[in-house]
Amino acid sequence: KQEVTQIPAALSVPEGENLVLNCSFTDSAIYNLQWFRQDPGKGLTSLLLIQSSQREQTSGRLNASLDKSSGRSTLYIAASQPGDSATYLCAVRMNTGFQKLVFGTGTRLLVSP
Amino acid sequence: KAGVTQTPRYLIKTRGQQVTLSCSPISGHRSVSWYQQTPGQGLQFLFEYFSETQRNKGNFPGRFSGRQFSNSRSEMNVSTLELGDSALYLCASSPGLAGITDTQYFGPGTRLTVL
Repeated sequence: KQEVTQIPAALSVPEGENLVLNCSFTDSAIYNLQWFRQDPGKGLTSLLLIQSSQREQTSGRLNASLDKSSGRSTLYIAASQPGDSATYLCAVRMNTGFQKLVFGTGTRLLVSP
Repeated sequence: KAGVTQTPRYLIKTRGQQVTLSCSPISGHRSVSWYQQTPGQGLQFLFEYFSETQRNKGNFPGRFSGRQFSNSRSEMNVSTLELGDSALYLCASSPGLAGITDTQYFGPGTRLTVL
């Protein structure tokens, strides 16, 4: 059974810092990995999707990497801003699970001005 | 393109009642998945529908059911509500074609409170 864990559970940083969020998964037979952002009481916004054959994806200040063999992904946020404050979730789609996503536990990020 | 819409946004029910939630996917998307989000269990997969057929199901009791219509809109139903069913219910939309890499797009969710 796939288990996805995110560390740290919460993170508080001053504006302008570069930061790294971690995601680990136990079963490497994944189809892809997706990073989402969730604002309080809201739905999920997709940030980046990495195919199992890819090593990284970039969008603006965000960079996500994937090391499938070690079961790890990282989300790098450069020059953090207060607007980045949210919960960040990683989710893996398995090879056999069609559209089913297995979500991590989430990292709650607070960026202070 | 309009995003994923879910109705209603908020619901309050009492134990023993039943509830129906609705999800309209992005135009052209044929796959709709449902998830339950609670503080204790996080986000858990309920089921996925593609072209009116349930193609995958999570580990939830039979009180949770769903369906999909020919226009890809989907509904989920929870019967005999329990206090533990209080949660944010999210639906996700994607093209859903086998072998095609696709991002899932989530709706804003329906907040269900069971009293």
